[in-house]
Amino acid sequence: DAKTTQPPSMDCAEGRAANLPCNHSTISGNEYVYWYRQIHSQGPQYIIHGLKNNETNEMASLIITEDRKSSTLILPHATLRDTAVYYCIVRVDQGNTPLVFGKGTRLSVIA
Amino acid sequence: ETGVTQSPTHLIKTRGQQVTLRCSSQSGHNTVSWYQQALGQGPQFIFQYYREEENGRGNFPPRFSGLQFPNYSSELNVNALELDDSALYLCASSHGGAGAYEQYFGPGTRLTVT
Repeated sequence: DAKTTQPPSMDCAEGRAANLPCNHSTISGNEYVYWYRQIHSQGPQYIIHGLKNNETNEMASLIITEDRKSSTLILPHATLRDTAVYYCIVRVDQGNTPLVFGKGTRLSVIA
Repeated sequence: ETGVTQSPTHLIKTRGQQVTLRCSSQSGHNTVSWYQQALGQGPQFIFQYYREEENGRGNFPPRFSGLQFPNYSSELNVNALELDDSALYLCASSHGGAGAYEQYFGPGTRLTVT
């Protein structure tokens, strides 16, 4: 079973920041937080991952709380093409462990 | 650098039949994982192949089987198809070895069992 809890859906106005929350209160010390997204009927796309420090790349920023029990994915300027289901996954850093997906958050970016 | 490709894109089969789905991994990747995604659900892990050996399996019956070839491409075989096998089948490739590497997904094969 997935070790994360996410809201089922969120809306965001185009051009505004989208902040997607994720709770992972049972995360272990050697587990990373990964984010993927899936645009309708396509394969999931890797976005970002982190252990305890905040991370940023060209797609998004990942903010992890100090106790690591929750995190937020930030899309700084959402566009209509960011409409997708976003999955937050915790994953141990040991070999090629599989991804355990929950139901994710359906983000709708509105013009 | 070519991405992960899958074939066919769509497939319709009859209950009881057998099906083979194919996946070509991204250049430089030696690990392939297969996932099943039912409508409205997140992908569920079926199994993983690393250097031609099965390297982990999810909660799927033995009629789901696979192969990995020397060029690291892979096949997923499903025997005795059931209606509940209707789903999007995704493969993902990644580097092998130590460390939790990102998995890169293909576009999927949509299987419909009637």
